[in-house]
Amino acid sequence: NAGVTQTPKFQVLKTGQSMTLQCAQDMNHEYMSWYRQDPGMGLRLIHYSVGAGITDQGEVPNGYNVSRSTTEDFPLRLLSAAPSQTSVYFCASSTQAGYEQYFGPGTRLTVT
Amino acid sequence: AQSVAQPEDQVNVAEGNPLTVKCTYSVSGNPYLFWYVQYPNRGLQFLLKYITGDNLVKGSYGFEAEFNKSQTSFHLKKPSALVSDSALYFCAVRAIGFSNDYKLSFGAGTTVTVRA
Repeated sequence: NAGVTQTPKFQVLKTGQSMTLQCAQDMNHEYMSWYRQDPGMGLRLIHYSVGAGITDQGEVPNGYNVSRSTTEDFPLRLLSAAPSQTSVYFCASSTQAGYEQYFGPGTRLTVT
Repeated sequence: AQSVAQPEDQVNVAEGNPLTVKCTYSVSGNPYLFWYVQYPNRGLQFLLKYITGDNLVKGSYGFEAEFNKSQTSFHLKKPSALVSDSALYFCAVRAIGFSNDYKLSFGAGTTVTVRA
């Protein structure tokens, strides 16, 4: 199986543009989450989902939306990109919320 | 609120020497504790976890970690470091028993450099 996949790998946006970062997993995991990684700040949780149809906010949700219509997919939408959203974004999944997470390869986003 | 502190931004060791990466945590109740490793331009990989039981946890690639409840620490150790262990290491925590709080909190990361 492919594990956790993310597309695109790289993206450059202009301020104000919108886009969707895709995340998919083929392990039938219930729990999925989105993080952003910034130098010196570790990983910060943006949004997470404990199952299809259920999402909740993490530590830094402003400017991002998510939905979970299927177990496999958990897209992250940037509504109106800002330079402060320049970051590396990681999607992760796990069998249950407290268990070890499997991470995707990341999407490097630059907003100019 | 829960949090993780990794007090060292960087750890430098010679190959063959012991490696320790420090982590302290703050959480209400009992913790789930994790260590992850990130190689350049890659996603994070799970190394090991503590949920309950023996305070010494063994994980992948020869790593182990010791849970110390009184010191609220979960330091990562490897008896003999390899150059290939050079990477960014993250400690993470989540509280056990809060059914409506699934958030995992990560430390800022520690860059390990092992010189040949």
